[in-house]
Amino acid sequence: QVNLVQSGTEVKMPGASVKVSCKASGYSFSTYGISWVRQAPGQGPEWMGRIVVYNGNTNYTQKFQGRITLTTDTSTSTAYMELRNLRSDDTAIYYCARLKYGCSDFWGQGTLVTVSS
Amino acid sequence: DIVMTQSPDSLAVSLGERATINCKSTQSLLYTSNNKDFLAWYQQKPGQPPKLLIYWASTRESGVPDRFSGSGSGTDFTLTISSLQAEDVAVYYCHQYYSPPYTFGQGTKLEIK
Repeated sequence: QVNLVQSGTEVKMPGASVKVSCKASGYSFSTYGISWVRQAPGQGPEWMGRIVVYNGNTNYTQKFQGRITLTTDTSTSTAYMELRNLRSDDTAIYYCARLKYGCSDFWGQGTLVTVSS
Repeated sequence: DIVMTQSPDSLAVSLGERATINCKSTQSLLYTSNNKDFLAWYQQKPGQPPKLLIYWASTRESGVPDRFSGSGSGTDFTLTISSLQAEDVAVYYCHQYYSPPYTFGQGTKLEIK
């Protein structure tokens, strides 16, 4: 069965970076893309970007341009999301999800990232 | 960016009754080359990630009960729950995947009346 397991809770100082991992299993990792979505407390989902695993092509939401990098390691079927220069309003649950036809069908459990001094 | 607007923001429906949620996009989500609308619906319960219910505007994801249906095309879409069950209490989001950045509606909170 398809499963996406994300890394654990992170607490970061403002200005720091965070790198969240997402290990996929149960399907051919290179055949599907991976999207990253975050959800601030009490808010709706916010799409951050996607990566096409087989060729590494990425798309990012403009507001994250210059601060976000999406990568994958096909040898371990793991996707990564790095967000730099963290601010307090980056506090959120970060999700990875498998892309099917462009929409996200299977989701990771989420990683809470708290940015606080 | 394509803006997705849902209505209503919240909805209270009696058990067994029909629930209807609307979603409007600022540009057409219909890709003419394959005649498909790049619109999905998600259900989210507290403490859980969103769950895919509907894609291509009207295709039910595997395992989703048939009381959930999606309709519409172009810029106007609807999610219908034909007979509300207690386990359907959740927040529902529409989501366009026509053009990056993909965007979500603001959500509709569905409760039992």
